[in-house]
Parts: sequence; C-alpha cells; structure tokens
Amino acid sequence: GAVVSQHPSWVICKSGTSVKIECRSLDFQATTMFWYRQFPKQSLMLMATSNEGSKATYEQGVEKDKFLINHASLTLSTLTVTSAHPEDSSFYICSAIGSGGNTEAFFGQGTRLTVV
Amino acid sequence: AQSVTQPDIHITVSEGASLELRCNYSYGATPYLFWYVQSPGQGLQLLLKYFSGDTLVQGIKGFEAEFKRSQSSFNLRKPSVHWSDAAEYFCAVGAGGSYIPTFGRGTSLIVHP
Repeated sequence: GAVVSQHPSWVICKSGTSVKIECRSLDFQATTMFWYRQFPKQSLMLMATSNEGSKATYEQGVEKDKFLINHASLTLSTLTVTSAHPEDSSFYICSAIGSGGNTEAFFGQGTRLTVV
Repeated sequence: AQSVTQPDIHITVSEGASLELRCNYSYGATPYLFWYVQSPGQGLQLLLKYFSGDTLVQGIKGFEAEFKRSQSSFNLRKPSVHWSDAAEYFCAVGAGGSYIPTFGRGTSLIVHP
C-alpha cells in the first residue's frame, strides 16, 4: 500500500512554544489529508480535513487558531500547535487519500506530543 | 450522522484460539466499513474494508469480517490468534460514499501464551 510518513515521531516542547508536525505522502499525491487526535486508550477524533491549496475544514470544537494546518503541496501537510499547553499533549495522527479514485485512507505512524 | 459501537473495551484470548471482535454501526444507507489495527505508539494499518458485493471480506494477516445488514454489524474474526496480534483494533464507518472513517472507541486485544 501507499506510504504516509509523519515527522517527528515524538516531540517534547515547553509550554508556550509552538511545534510543527509534518505529514508526507511518499509515493502518491494526496489530494486530501486529515489530522486526528488520540487520547490515551481512546479512539481517534478527527480534527480537520485539508485539501491541497485550500483552507482546512475544522471539526466542531477544534480551535483553528491553535491548530494551524497547511496543505501547500500534494505530498505535504503540516499541523502547527501554537502556544502549546500541557493539555495539548496527545498523539496526533495524519492520514491521506490520493486522487484517481483511491478508496483508502493511509495513515502515518503518529506523533507523540508532550508539552512540559 | 454515522456512528460506530465497539461494545468490548478489552478482549483476552489464548494463543491459538479463535477471535471475534464485535462492531455495530449506525447509518441509514449502506456504509463503507473498515477495520484497522494499531500497535502501541504506532499509526493505523488497514486490515480490511467493505464497500459492496460479497458480505464476507478477507483481509490481511488472516483476518476476515462479515457485513450483516440486518444486524448492522461488521464483526472481525480470526480462526487462530497469534501473540503478535495483540494490539488495539478499531472499527470504522464511512458514510455517504465517504472514505473518511469515523472510528469506534477501539477494542484492546490481549493474547495469553
């Protein structure tokens, strides 16, 4: 199957700083990318959907000014957690759907964010 | 809106035993259905999916699932579990022709030697 790579796999940052997470589709063009958040022992909650070259669509309750999403190319989407606080600590996972009738969302390996 | 219920938070089986993980969905029309597996600290891997056609779907790693419209279910099965199958399993539904999955809360599979 297609490969989606997230970087970094884990990151620790100080409270008040910003951190950027990258999501890349390595062998296909991702017209649509998704960002999920997963709390320990819980399911994945969709945060936002981004289409290349367009503004992201955020799910209800997700602060778009805190979680900045950019999908500047067909192979790269970034999630920036701005002014991070300890409650933003979580596991963030991206996924991507390609063009050409692709019928599966491919997932990255996730990024563990810890804000101290 | 669509939703998914995985009634079992944990399932414990012995290695070599059979496995069935339950999944019920709520959606008015025929949904797209998925099962994903997540190892600790990892992303998700698609085990199998159902869009249409044969209601018994074969997946990777020896897993299969059966779509039962009358029961709104899509249970995952494996005839003989291996220790490496210990992981978190998520059932998901995509509604309205959407491939974007809405996830259930997951079932943690524990395998005893």
